[in-house]
Amino acid sequence: EPEVTQTPSHQVTQMGQEVILRCVPISNHLYFYWYRQILGQKVEFLVSFYNNEISEKSEIFDDQFSVERPDGSNFTLKIRSTKLEDSAMYFCASTSQGLNTEAFFGQGTRLTVV
Amino acid sequence: DQQVKQNSPSLSVQEGRISILNCDYTNSMFDYFLWYKKYPAEGPTFLISISSIKDKNEDGRFTVFLNKSAKHLSLHIVPSQPGDSAVYFCAASDTNSNSGYALNFGKGTSLLVTP
Repeated sequence: EPEVTQTPSHQVTQMGQEVILRCVPISNHLYFYWYRQILGQKVEFLVSFYNNEISEKSEIFDDQFSVERPDGSNFTLKIRSTKLEDSAMYFCASTSQGLNTEAFFGQGTRLTVV
Repeated sequence: DQQVKQNSPSLSVQEGRISILNCDYTNSMFDYFLWYKKYPAEGPTFLISISSIKDKNEDGRFTVFLNKSAKHLSLHIVPSQPGDSAVYFCAASDTNSNSGYALNFGKGTSLLVTP
């Protein structure tokens, strides 16, 4: 069964450092997303990406965040200068085009900023 | 801004009984609703969905009911099994927006099914 894969599963970084979270969406999907879940809180939408550009972003997705699809298979989330409050579980998701908006999620990357 | 609310953080049900998980939303533009199940250390897994043109969708032991006037939906699991123990997230989207179908999640309800 096709699946979304994310690497690494856990990333520890020092405050102020840059991190790149990687995702390989399902191959025939066209929409890609990043969500995050801070411990004890709800899953929050960060950004959606379609046709090589951002289609929507939330207010959380400020200038320190960026996304890229560098090679047609990977979808990355970069956090330029991490803060303690960026510590969360980050989920990548993808959907195929159409009315069915069932999103397939990866297993997540746990980011810990120390 | 909590547009999707799951007011019960946890629910405990005996095996074989019905589990009812509730979800309320505030945005009247939402027209597609989904339930996701999440086990610890895994990403959310799609369970069942419903479009706003329907009021019920059934898939095996899982049924989702939608009451648009009350902006309320519920997930029924019957009979409940211990393997159903997980966190259940309600999610909603406005498929007519230009958002790429961003999902708005509730905080989740942790279901425990006891033998």
